[in-house]
Amino acid sequence: KQEVTQIPAALSVPEGENLVLNCSFTDSAIYNLQWFRQDPGKGLTSLLLIQSSQREQTSGRLNASLDKSSGRSTLYIAASQPGDSATYLCAVSPTGNQFYFGTGTSLTVIP
Amino acid sequence: EAEVAQSPRYKITEKSQAVAFWCDPISGHATLYWYRQILGQGPELLVQFQDESVVDDSQLPKDRFSAERLKGVDSTLKIQPAELGDSAMYLCASSDRRANYGYTFGSGTRLTVV
Repeated sequence: KQEVTQIPAALSVPEGENLVLNCSFTDSAIYNLQWFRQDPGKGLTSLLLIQSSQREQTSGRLNASLDKSSGRSTLYIAASQPGDSATYLCAVSPTGNQFYFGTGTSLTVIP
Repeated sequence: EAEVAQSPRYKITEKSQAVAFWCDPISGHATLYWYRQILGQGPELLVQFQDESVVDDSQLPKDRFSAERLKGVDSTLKIQPAELGDSAMYLCASSDRRANYGYTFGSGTRLTVV
């Protein structure tokens, strides 16, 4: 079973700072990896999907990278804003079916 | 943008009562998933459907939980009887090869059992 770990569990940064969230997984044989955002009490919003053949994906101020050989992915957020405050979840799919989720990083951006 | 619809958004039920959740995936998405998320944890799979067929229900507590997707479109997840430990967020997601099998989630149902 794929195990997904996210470090740190919580992060607090001042507005405007660039930051990196980390995700590691135990089995490098993955089909794709997806980053999500979750606001308190809400569902998950997809941020970026990286297929196994890709090294990175970008959307606006977000950039996600994938290194299958080391079992790692990072989510880079540029010029953080208070509206970025949320929990960020990393999920890995070995076969294109079930995703396995980490427990998330809770981000607080201080104005 | 296409969405996954879920209802209700919130549900409070007494222990031992029955409760049901509904999900309508993105039109044309063949694969539908039900996940359960306990506060502070990541979502965990309960059941996966491919069209109307169950692909994986190995983590579904079958003594009290049931799920169906009769026409291969919308789906219902039922709990009977509900227990205090079932309090959680129940999330529905759908995926399709046209979206490279990435997940789109609904807004979830927050269940509180009292």
